[in-house]
Amino acid sequence: EIVMTQSPATLSVSPGERATLSCRASQFISSNLAWYQQKPGQAPRLLIYGASTRATGIPARFSGSGFGTDFTLTISSLQSDDFAVYYCQECNSWPLVFGGGTKVEI
Amino acid sequence: EVQLVQSGAEVKRPGESLMISCEGSGYSSDTYWINWVRQMPGKGLEWMGRINPRDSYTDYSPSFEGHVTISADKSISTTYLQWTSLKAPDTAMYYCTMTHCGGACPLGTFDIWGQGTMVTVSS
Repeated sequence: EIVMTQSPATLSVSPGERATLSCRASQFISSNLAWYQQKPGQAPRLLIYGASTRATGIPARFSGSGFGTDFTLTISSLQSDDFAVYYCQECNSWPLVFGGGTKVEI
Repeated sequence: EVQLVQSGAEVKRPGESLMISCEGSGYSSDTYWINWVRQMPGKGLEWMGRINPRDSYTDYSPSFEGHVTISADKSISTTYLQWTSLKAPDTAMYYCTMTHCGGACPLGTFDIWGQGTMVTVSS
């Protein structure tokens, strides 16, 4: 089973700043990676799939990059609505595995 | 609109059985795999397993195989997650989810989520 490691666990940023979140897979997963945003009391929301493709309706300030084992989610200019927990997830092989999450806070 | 609607919150005692449901609408019910994801209080997301409603083929995470059962009734577009004997550590939010994306994203990428069912197991 693949292990997905996210860092940092918590990221403290100010509105308008850039946020960079990392995700590392324990083995090669090509570009088979997704990113989700979860706010308290809500179901996760798909942001990015295929490592770099934004899902429908996702603002351009969210971007994903990476290939193989190392991936990054960048939020170019944080807005108040972006403070949440972010999860990466590999979709390369079953069982699917999520990372432990990064909480983006003020 | 494609959506998944889950059954309501449950409070159970250890040892009791439980079945929660997830009803799909807005799409052909036997076309898309339905997955279940667990989120324990204050913790992250864990993929539990999936079912193909067309033939009820199931695939479980080793962490959950033997502890839960996923089933489906395609005639009513509903998928189920079942326990025969609940334990306190089963206390969690459970989400059903699927890959739809209008066919644009790979299997295992979840763009449609149910609202979640909170299961509380306490004596």
